Amino acid sequence: AQKITQTQPGMFVQEKEAVTLDCTYDTSDPSYGLFWYKQPSSGEMIFLIYQGSYDQQNATEGRYSLNFQKARKSANLVISASQLGDSAMYFCAMREDGGNQFYFGTGTSLTVIP
Amino acid sequence: GAVVSQHPSRVICKSGTSVKIECRSLDFQATTMFWYRQFPKQSLMLMATSNEGSKATYEQGVEKDKFLINHASLTLSTLTVTSAHPEDSSFYICSVALARTGELFFGEGSRLTVL
Repeated sequence: AQKITQTQPGMFVQEKEAVTLDCTYDTSDPSYGLFWYKQPSSGEMIFLIYQGSYDQQNATEGRYSLNFQKARKSANLVISASQLGDSAMYFCAMREDGGNQFYFGTGTSLTVIP
Repeated sequence: GAVVSQHPSRVICKSGTSVKIECRSLDFQATTMFWYRQFPKQSLMLMATSNEGSKATYEQGVEKDKFLINHASLTLSTLTVTSAHPEDSSFYICSVALARTGELFFGEGSRLTVL
């Protein structure tokens, strides 16, 4: 089974609007971390936000917030007030605390329309 | 500033030659580094886990004789693509996990084109 599932291969959003990128995960490990990365066309992976499985509150970092629904095993990324520079690939990832490996989703390509 | 530095960012080589890619951890000592391969518009595929002072752990389907990994120091891991062929053309990216938080830091990536 896929550890990380991103069901939206491509998304479009109007500039200044908010957008939600979906991510669901699968693990039996009680302790894990969830990450979102942005990959612009240049290729580098940029860390955006982290959510620990035991964190009581949803993580927020500036315009990024993570809608963490543990029972549903979802960790959606919300980008508020989209900017043109937000156009990129976005990857959801998980690391089980019992292991060393990161599992990545297939990514969502976000395009911000002026 | 960058936490992980990867070099070269782009390399073009002839078929049959070998190419070395370096990954340096700039801010902290890394006993473990990860090497990923990414095909266009696809996700990152873990190739191997590089362990300082010992042999790398390769993922299933990755040829260890083809992709040589050396992790000789706590700040440097190298990936050598031996006898490169056009199908080895890809984007290779290394990463380091900060032990305290588990956060993964990535290098800038290396785009290999084999002619």
